[in-house]
Amino acid sequence: GQQVMQIPQYQHVQEGEDFTTYCNSSTTLSNIQWYKQRPGGHPVFLIQLVKSGEVKKQKRLTFQFGEAKKNSSLHITATQTTDVGTYFCAGPLIQGAQKLVFGQGTRLTINP
Amino acid sequence: DAGVIQSPRHEVTEMGQEVTLRCKPISGHNSLFWYRQTMMRGLELLIYFNNNVPIDDSGMPEDRFSAKMPNASFSTLKIQPSEPRDSAVYFCASRHGLYGYTFGSGTRLTVV
Repeated sequence: GQQVMQIPQYQHVQEGEDFTTYCNSSTTLSNIQWYKQRPGGHPVFLIQLVKSGEVKKQKRLTFQFGEAKKNSSLHITATQTTDVGTYFCAGPLIQGAQKLVFGQGTRLTINP
Repeated sequence: DAGVIQSPRHEVTEMGQEVTLRCKPISGHNSLFWYRQTMMRGLELLIYFNNNVPIDDSGMPEDRFSAKMPNASFSTLKIQPSEPRDSAVYFCASRHGLYGYTFGSGTRLTVV
């Protein structure tokens, strides 16, 4: 069945360094969503990408959706300690479906 | 808006006991999802409802698990009898249309 894979599983950086997590799907996605989960917290919706090649920015966060709509990335510029958490990508199992398949997540830790 | 409300926040129970988890979705959200999160398996979709009707329960691990949504403002996930391997964080999420999910704070279940 469809899978959504994320790499790396873990990433440790020094505060101020950049961070990137990658998401790959075995099938074409109609859209992809990104979530952030702080330690001990719940996933919080960050953004949804819909169009092929789409790039969206939220302050220091840049989200990209691949041309083939099978991969995506989240890049954080100049990380801060508030960026600590696990970042998940998620996509619908089939186009237009309510049900999302979540990647395993990338856990980001930061050395202040 | 108070967001998605889950209760209890924590539950410790003995093996064999019945456990009921509760969720109040955001008013106006027409879809509700129950997820389970563990270190080993990540975020797994158990079941979801659309307009109070169960659509896909293929993620429910066994017959010991059941879920109901008697009205638009309330859902329950029941485990009977509970087993130690059911220990996990259970999240409820709701969604309007195809926008991002809003997750509740979760119920941390420990079965001893």
